This record gives sequence, structure tokens and C-alpha cells, in this order.
Amino acid sequence: EAGVTQFPSHSVIEKGQTVTLRCDPISGHDNLYWYRRVMGKEIKFLLHFVKESKQDESGMPNNRFLAERTGGTYSTLKVQPAELEDSGVYFCASSRGLYNSPLHFGNGTRLTVT
Amino acid sequence: RKEVEQDPGPFNVPEGATVAFNCTYSNSASQSFFWYRQDCRKEPKLLMSVYSSGNEDGRFTAQLNRASQYISLLIRDSKLSDSATYLCVVNLGLTGTASKLTFGTGTRLQVTL
Repeated sequence: EAGVTQFPSHSVIEKGQTVTLRCDPISGHDNLYWYRRVMGKEIKFLLHFVKESKQDESGMPNNRFLAERTGGTYSTLKVQPAELEDSGVYFCASSRGLYNSPLHFGNGTRLTVT
Repeated sequence: RKEVEQDPGPFNVPEGATVAFNCTYSNSASQSFFWYRQDCRKEPKLLMSVYSSGNEDGRFTAQLNRASQYISLLIRDSKLSDSATYLCVVNLGLTGTASKLTFGTGTRLQVTL
């Protein structure tokens, strides 16, 4: 089966611009997660979708971040306007939905805000 | 205090050596525990789950001590291909469904000839 795919793999934007990251989970995985790792820090949870619904968005840093998962398939994460501290690697992960089923991570999008 | 603490390393060991990583977690309500492996500029990949009874997968042995809130990973007969960052990961499991994971910063292992 195809893994979790993320697009783009890299993005370099200027402060104040908008960027949209996309994640395609493994087919049939109802649970989709966004995580990010900023330089020198640990990977941190951003939010969790179950199908198209936001189950938990407690990790979203502020209202410049908007995640959607229309139709319960792929998800987008938009940052508008981007700030320097948003630079990092954004990982998407999906799981089948059983309790403690393993997460499958995508390769990540490396975002650099200049 | 960080929720999951790990020694960042790096641990530099020769091929064939045995190496152990430790991790502590702060929330006693944590439900499940994992070790993930992350290669440079790659995504994290599940290495193994960690159970109170201890579990082994080939050269890898994981152990959990709930009383001390401590997790360990032992790698025997290290291979060059084991060089990576090892992430200690904890799940509060509050939702009862799939995971919201809390990651440590990782321990870097470099196996040399």
C-alpha cells in the first residue's frame, strides 16, 4: 500500500506570505495527525482529525494556522501569514483508528520562512 | 520539566557493541510507550512498542518501569545501519482511540567501524 505522502517536500517563503501544506494519508485511515518539529526541539502534536472532524486541535500554536480535511481524505495545513518561528518540519501521520494502532508518518514538509 | 526526557547524545559506539538508551516521562497517567527511529531528514518510524513485561525484537530489547516512569532501549551487536536518532514516545491515550503522541527530543546513535 502507498504510504503517507506530503507535498511539497520543501518550501521557502518570505515572512508574511501564505503557504499550504498537503497530506494524503494511507487509504482507509480515518485518523490523520499533524505534527511539527522546530529547530532543536522535539516533535510536537498540532492536531488530530477523525475523518473530516477535528478531534483535538490543542497543539495548534495560534490562529495563523488553519487545518482542513474536507471529505475526510487528504488534509491541508495553511499558515497565513507566515512568521519566522514557523520554520520547521511539518509531519503528517495517519492511523487506522483502533486504540493505539501505530502511526505512519509522511516524509514531512521542510518549511523555511525568511 | 519536559514531558519526555532523553539524553540527546550522541552515543558513539563501535560495531558489535551493546548500547542502552534511557528515557523518563513526567505524566504518570501515560498509557502506552514506544520507541521510534528517525534517520537524518526522514520521517519517524515505529521501532517497537514497550510493555511492562519487557519485550524483545531481535537485537532490540525494550523495558518499561511504571513506578519509576522510566523506559529503556537496549541494542545488542550494533550495526552500522543502526545509526539514527531514537525517539522515546509516550501516549496519554486519553481519547481511547488513536494516539496523540508526546515525543522526546531523541538520542542520536552513531555506530562506527
